[in-house]
Amino acid sequence: AQRVTQPEKLLSVFKGAPVELKCNYSYSGSPELFWYVQYSRQRLQLLLRHISRESIKGFTADLNKGETSFHLKKPFAQEEDSAMYYCALSGRNNAGGTSYGKLTFGQGTILTVHP
Amino acid sequence: NAGVTQTPKFQVLKTGQSMTLQCAQDMNHEYMSWYRQDPGMGLRLIHYSVGAGITDQGEVPNGYNVSRSTTEDFPLRLLSAAPSQTSVYFCASSTSRGRNSPLHFGNGTRLTVT
Repeated sequence: AQRVTQPEKLLSVFKGAPVELKCNYSYSGSPELFWYVQYSRQRLQLLLRHISRESIKGFTADLNKGETSFHLKKPFAQEEDSAMYYCALSGRNNAGGTSYGKLTFGQGTILTVHP
Repeated sequence: NAGVTQTPKFQVLKTGQSMTLQCAQDMNHEYMSWYRQDPGMGLRLIHYSVGAGITDQGEVPNGYNVSRSTTEDFPLRLLSAAPSQTSVYFCASSTSRGRNSPLHFGNGTRLTVT
């Protein structure tokens, strides 16, 4: 079974401070991991995916298979980063085939960046 | 493109009533899914479809039915609403069967069952 854990329901930082949103996963195979974000009054959208190794809006996330983690980091938080963040995992189905985009989501972390 | 469109935005039901949440996408995506969002639980997969005529259960399918008669539409039916189904429901679609394909979400339907 696959599982995603985000241990922090709420995270508050001040503008300009570093921020790290934690994500740990449990999966027996080779996972694909994503971060999704939901800003106030907007729909849930993809922020970044580990396979792309990209930095989006100053955020980065590194897959650490040894620690089974995919923490989201930003060196200097901005007020516009305040949002709900979800870590998500895509694995394989029971037959070993592609899971067709079925994602398992963590519980979510509400990030608040204070001025 | 409108993307993924969900209707209604809000709905209040009484226990035992039935209703259908509508979801349509205009991106010719093969894959569509329904999630429910509950505080402290994240998003949980209810049902999904990999193409017209093909549906399967997700993590929390009980009390819900789906069908996929066209590529564009993927309605979610509540057969007999219960207070435990009070939640925010999201429909999502994806462009291909690849694991790395991002999901495109609708704006959600906030359902309250009294």
